[in-house]
Amino acid sequence: GDSVTQMEGPVTLSEEAFLTINCTYTATGYPSLFWYVQYPGEGLQLLLKATKADDKGSNKGFEATYRKETTSFHLEKGSVQVSDSAVYFCALRRLYTGGFKTIFGAGTRLFVKA
Amino acid sequence: AAGVIQSPRHLIKEKRETATLKCYPIPRHDTVYWYQQGPGQDPQFLISFYEKMQSDKGSIPDRFSAQQFSDYHSELNMSSLELGDSALYFCASSSSASSYNSPLHFGNGTRLTVT
Repeated sequence: GDSVTQMEGPVTLSEEAFLTINCTYTATGYPSLFWYVQYPGEGLQLLLKATKADDKGSNKGFEATYRKETTSFHLEKGSVQVSDSAVYFCALRRLYTGGFKTIFGAGTRLFVKA
Repeated sequence: AAGVIQSPRHLIKEKRETATLKCYPIPRHDTVYWYQQGPGQDPQFLISFYEKMQSDKGSIPDRFSAQQFSDYHSELNMSSLELGDSALYFCASSSSASSYNSPLHFGNGTRLTVT
């Protein structure tokens, strides 16, 4: 079945370091891909999305490119801040027999030190 | 902009009691999803509703039931609570009008603690 695999955390970085969180997926067809972020005590929030191959989603300095050839959607940020500390979830969404479904990865916790 | 509203924010129950969680989706969103998130876990899909009808079912225990009402709000009813039911319960909503690339909009969740 469809699945999303993320790199295990936690990831600990110093402020202004470069961030990469790897995400690969397995799915038939052409899913849409998303990154969600969850800050402590809050629900998940959409960070960025891409709906077709080679699309680049970007928001708040974060970027991810939909790579169909490698089935990947890695999240990157050039210079992280302490306020970026959160859990990041990669997800895919596509049409199944019963309707649209969203499948989440296990999440990657990011700690950014000042 | 209005977001997904969940109530209560926190709930403490004893084993074998019942609990009702409520979710008010974003206006004009017709699809509601319920997720359970254990400590350090990714959200696990429980059940979803589209236009007041159950549209999909995930790993929801038989002890749980849910429904969506005419105003599109949804309630998750949990009976015979067990210690393992302690978790964050999220509701999310989306619009079927743009389902393919439509993200889920999450509420801040209800933290259920079963003692």
